[in-house]
Amino acid sequence: QSALTQPASVSGSPGQSITISCTGTSSDVGGYNYVSWYQQHPGKAPKLMIYDVSNRPSGVSNRFSGSKSGNTASLTISGLQAEDEADYYCSSYTSSSPLYVFGTGTKVTVL
Amino acid sequence: EVQLVESGGGLVQPGGSLRLSCSASGFTFSSYAMHWVRQAPGKGLEYVSAISSNGGSTYYADSVKGRFTISRDNSKNTLYLQMSSLRAEDTAVYYCVKGSSWFDPWGQGTLVTVSS
Repeated sequence: QSALTQPASVSGSPGQSITISCTGTSSDVGGYNYVSWYQQHPGKAPKLMIYDVSNRPSGVSNRFSGSKSGNTASLTISGLQAEDEADYYCSSYTSSSPLYVFGTGTKVTVL
Repeated sequence: EVQLVESGGGLVQPGGSLRLSCSASGFTFSSYAMHWVRQAPGKGLEYVSAISSNGGSTYYADSVKGRFTISRDNSKNTLYLQMSSLRAEDTAVYYCVKGSSWFDPWGQGTLVTVSS
């Protein structure tokens, strides 16, 4: 099972909006509404930010939003803040073993 | 509060074995599928294995199939990962995660280092 494709890095200035893409296939991202996004700060465990494509868990800022079109899912961070600087990973259910696959990861830098 | 606490990591020689444990609390453990995800030093997340809520179904990444075995003891609220024939490329932090179509929360992880 190949990893989902994400850009290696995305950057933006404070207050700006950025979008991270996550490209898969019709067997994963395109076939199911089970895409989730995770934020990971250095040395910390990942934290769930978005689930089932566009749902935000309680406690996650509404500056984070998710969407999907075809085989590509996206995470948008609006009003970029210094604390948003971290690595971000997407994940999707897949019809092939072992059920789930992660993206390659994107490093977000706040300029 | 939902908590997942991994243990059992450490230094092991290539070809050796290790068993990881994950103690769960704060939720009805027996009602949820559980997963192991790993992260090699400086690398991204890799999905390793999953087990259904009753333990009847298991799934493995190709990279560990035939070498790792996932299991659970619902009476002890504990998830396990038995790892054998370990290789240098298995060196990683191993996370225990709860979830259905998403993973939340994550444990703090336990480091497995495979080296001679």
